[in-house]
Amino acid sequence: RKEVEQDPGPFNVPEGATVAFNCTYSNSASQSFFWYRQDCRKEPKLLMSVYSSGNEDGRFTAQLNRASQYISLLIRDSKLSDSATYLCVVNSMNTGFQKLVFGTGTRLLVSP
Amino acid sequence: DAGVTQSPTHLIKTRGQQVTLRCSPKSGHDTVSWYQQALGQGPQFIFQYYEEEERQRGNFPDRFSGHQFPNYSSELNVNALLLGDSALYLCASSLLRGTGASLEQYFGPGTRLTVT
Repeated sequence: RKEVEQDPGPFNVPEGATVAFNCTYSNSASQSFFWYRQDCRKEPKLLMSVYSSGNEDGRFTAQLNRASQYISLLIRDSKLSDSATYLCVVNSMNTGFQKLVFGTGTRLLVSP
Repeated sequence: DAGVTQSPTHLIKTRGQQVTLRCSPKSGHDTVSWYQQALGQGPQFIFQYYEEEERQRGNFPDRFSGHQFPNYSSELNVNALLLGDSALYLCASSLLRGTGASLEQYFGPGTRLTVT
């Protein structure tokens, strides 16, 4: 079983739609969680850190469920510019040193 | 505020050769991590450097080695290149200690290595 699993998609949605991605992780000792966005042939860019209480940044909402070991990302009012691959990332270390484990990514295509 | 920079952007090498990739962290950051991203996959953690020492390592052979310099910049060395080493190599920086310390990592644009 992979340490971090995501549905690869693609998710094809029209502009203005709401879309949700889920991600599961296997290491219950994982301490911190992130969503990154990656455009084709570019570097990953940090989208959001995921806090245990859930957090929101504009049209983006992230949730963490430690009991079920999954993380979600909700995008409201999708824009064409949201088309990208969304990477779920888990840090399994409980010290300051980090070992980020990435999922394979979920591809989102937003169409006019 | 300078972001993470990497050089070179592209590189073509032959099997068996050695390669050195370079990374300068974001201004104010003290920790550098290296990742390998094959086509269609998420980045795979290679290792992390802090205070010029390797602190964490992923499942990569000893052919992959690194170094961190006093100015926090870093190098990734790969010896005896294999065709399977062809990938995008990403460097990420973060601040481990001090004001503003965070687990968030910021990536450079990467070096695309092709081994023929």
